[in-house]
Amino acid sequence: EVQLVESGGGLVQPGGSLRVSCAASGFTFSDHYMDWVRQAPGKGLEWVGRSRNKANSYTTEYAASVKGRFTISRDDSKNSLYLQMNSLKTEDTAVYYCTRVTDWGQGTLVTVSS
Amino acid sequence: QAVVTQEPSLTVSPGGTVTLTCGSSTGAVTSGHFPYWFQQKPGQAPRTLIYDTSNKHSWTPARFSGSLLGGKAALTLSGAQPEDEAEYYCLLSYSGARVFGGGTKLTVL
Repeated sequence: EVQLVESGGGLVQPGGSLRVSCAASGFTFSDHYMDWVRQAPGKGLEWVGRSRNKANSYTTEYAASVKGRFTISRDDSKNSLYLQMNSLKTEDTAVYYCTRVTDWGQGTLVTVSS
Repeated sequence: QAVVTQEPSLTVSPGGTVTLTCGSSTGAVTSGHFPYWFQQKPGQAPRTLIYDTSNKHSWTPARFSGSLLGGKAALTLSGAQPEDEAEYYCLLSYSGARVFGGGTKLTVL
């Protein structure tokens, strides 16, 4: 059974940083592209970015709204995906989901507020 | 960045058929956009129904189907059930980046 478990969410002040993690199991993590998707309270889904697999040199893509502030990384030895968020803004407040697009985690809430 | 458009809301009668669509500001949606469809109920994480235009996940009920229709991606629900009331999102790929539609709130009434 595929499982994706996010962690690391919490309250952070504007301008601050936070790293959220995703622990994957039930599939060969190293073979797959992985995405981060977020959902602000009461709003729709927003694609944040993607990490390609080793065969594609772990290259990354980002949405324009987060490019230059967010960084996606992965550790295939730990079956883990990460999202480093810097220079956080109040509009980054959302539930952050780890997904391989056919499977989803339950999300972790990040709140940016003073 | 491309804009992906969906109907904001639709209503279907129990047992009825409804088609949700997903359009792109860049032109016709093709299989090269690898359309995905997701269902999300209040308080829950999204659940993937359709990937790569028309492929179903193992848990996708047979009453859901995906296709390309009139230059858009389409999700057709045939024989709607009360439990199908939810928000539905499409996702399109654009040379590496991905963009979600704004979602369609489907009411079964």
